[in-house]
Amino acid sequence: GAVVSQHPSWVICKSGTSVKIECRSLDFQATTMFWYRQFPKQSLMLMATSNEGSKATYEQGVEKDKFLINHASLTLSTLTVTSAHPEDSSFYICSARDPNGDTQYFGPGTRLTVL
Amino acid sequence: AQSVTQPDIHITVSEGASLELRCNYSYGATPYLFWYVQSPGQGLQLLLKYFSGDTLVQGIKGFEAEFKRSQSSFNLRKPSVHWSDAAEYFCAVGWGAQKLVFGQGTRLTINP
Repeated sequence: GAVVSQHPSWVICKSGTSVKIECRSLDFQATTMFWYRQFPKQSLMLMATSNEGSKATYEQGVEKDKFLINHASLTLSTLTVTSAHPEDSSFYICSARDPNGDTQYFGPGTRLTVL
Repeated sequence: AQSVTQPDIHITVSEGASLELRCNYSYGATPYLFWYVQSPGQGLQLLLKYFSGDTLVQGIKGFEAEFKRSQSSFNLRKPSVHWSDAAEYFCAVGWGAQKLVFGQGTRLTINP
């Protein structure tokens, strides 16, 4: 149980294009999902909290117009990196909070490379 | 502000040896405590968690962790490591339904 998937697992795009990453909770409903960014050999940095049916809450310093988050259903949240630039290249990981509200389960991550 | 410290950036142990990874947190109340493991290029897998009750918790893959309130610590242990345990280990704390704060991680290398 408590499986979270991400798609795609890796993506390469050209500078200036937009990329959408999907995060799905496969066997439970998640009213809250989280998006993290991880740089090589570093810890996870929380970008935003995604709440089903409402606007996402962004952490300080994260550009909400650049990282668009949509949580349209109880099993799906999407992160769209708009007008991507090479500095947006990173490993993006999502998590979903279980129905009890006390544990986050993580997806396998998406490696984004912007050329 | 809440913080989590993993003092050891990198630890190397021999296969079959015991392991202890340290984690300290800074907060007034007792938070929810977690240990996650990450293999290269992968997401995070939950090893174990502590919310309340018995301060020694058992997790998957033979890991255990002990919560010590007086030391604000939640150290991870394993009596005998296997080569497959080589990975990055993250301690994290949360408060109820709030977001998690992660430590910097400890990279574990296993010598054959």
